[in-house]
Amino acid sequence: AQKITQTQPGMFVQEKEAVTLDCTYDTSDQSYGLFWYKQPSSGEMIFLIYQGSYDEQNATEGRYSLNFQKARKSANLVISASQLGDSAMYFCAGASNTGTASKLTFGTGTRLQVTL
Amino acid sequence: EADIYQTPRYLVIGTGEKITLECSQTMGHDKMYWYQQDPGMELHLIHYSYGVNSTEKGDLSSESTVSRIRTEHFPLTLESARPSHTSQYLCASSDTASLSEKLFFGSGTQLSVL
Repeated sequence: AQKITQTQPGMFVQEKEAVTLDCTYDTSDQSYGLFWYKQPSSGEMIFLIYQGSYDEQNATEGRYSLNFQKARKSANLVISASQLGDSAMYFCAGASNTGTASKLTFGTGTRLQVTL
Repeated sequence: EADIYQTPRYLVIGTGEKITLECSQTMGHDKMYWYQQDPGMELHLIHYSYGVNSTEKGDLSSESTVSRIRTEHFPLTLESARPSHTSQYLCASSDTASLSEKLFFGSGTQLSVL
């Protein structure tokens, strides 16, 4: 099992600026996965980015990148060139290998507000 | 894009009522999940299924029950609702069981029990 910690309840960023959302994890598994999901006010969870524990390169998906520091057990999300539509809750999640189904453990989330 | 639907979107009921939250997906995914989320809090897995006629309890104990008679349908039932069941319920599905498995979520059902 994993423990996911997000220490920033809320963050503000100006439009077009970059922002980093923090996530640390704690697991005894050798193989694991880390995710970031976005939850707008409409309620659905939207997959943003994935990082595998054995991936040597940091994951990138468009304006999203994951700053993976394995020794520090951190998996911070970096959003470049913030847009007003990026305002939402952001959840970090960890996956452990159960063999039959993925059991994600979520952090408590960070509410990001993008301002003009 | 993902096609996973939850109904109703909002539901207000009285204590003791029986309710069923519907979740359907049109992607043919074998894996389906129910998560419970209190306002401003993290999601907790309460049920999952990795195929027809298979259901398992998740990490958070729940008085709800689920069934999986058809691949596309994964309803959640509360036999006798209580105010402590007030929460948002999110359904999700995926087509693999690997670590990189991406979940597709529905829009959720916001349940209020008076």
